[in-house]
Amino acid sequence: DAGITQSPRHKVTETGTPVTLRCHQTENHRYMYWYRQDPGHGLRLIHYSYGVKDTDKGEVSDGYSVSRSKTEDFLLTLESATSSQTSVYFCAISRLAGSTDTQYFGPGTRLTVL
Amino acid sequence: GQQLNQSPQSMFIQEGEDVSMNCTSSSIFNTWLWYKQDPGEGPVLLIALYKAGELTSNGRLTAQFGITRKDSFLNISASIPSDVGIYFCAGLNYGGSQGNLIFGKGTKLSVKP
Repeated sequence: DAGITQSPRHKVTETGTPVTLRCHQTENHRYMYWYRQDPGHGLRLIHYSYGVKDTDKGEVSDGYSVSRSKTEDFLLTLESATSSQTSVYFCAISRLAGSTDTQYFGPGTRLTVL
Repeated sequence: GQQLNQSPQSMFIQEGEDVSMNCTSSSIFNTWLWYKQDPGEGPVLLIALYKAGELTSNGRLTAQFGITRKDSFLNISASIPSDVGIYFCAGLNYGGSQGNLIFGKGTKLSVKP
């Protein structure tokens, strides 16, 4: 258990609506990540954060924004959800200080955009 | 961009058999990681490899970091039903962005009792 929770765990929404997913960690880790997982694509990085208010884009960042106002929370926002954003979203943290590789994952959020 | 080729895509084996899967890349990685994912859950880190040639075990699991730094393999000995799941390799190149952990597409393991 890496002390990561994600909310909500499941969400169904309509095209064009804004959606915010929350990742919360209890271990004060510096690095946090958002991935999406789709059949045939595996896990792909959306955005990551290397500290409060410090974020950067990943491989599939278009249509997503993130914010990190506190160490423990990393928010992923879909400003206007589209059907192509139906996916399972995972948050991850890097557990070792100064390391970006030993990433531990949360339980995931299943998002369906109708 | 960088890609990992993970094989096989799926395996269906008898309980007690040994399992081998691997990942290859055209790019060099500085770190190789192996994860297992059960249905409805997030990936769980099994083994981390940091040095070319490194061989690391975790119970019945053994993983190696290839000498060329472009490949890695994972072996599971004497498989049991709870080994069922999807296994992912992941590689990190420190020369890229800090979040640049690249994942393979997974090997789905099924075990027949």
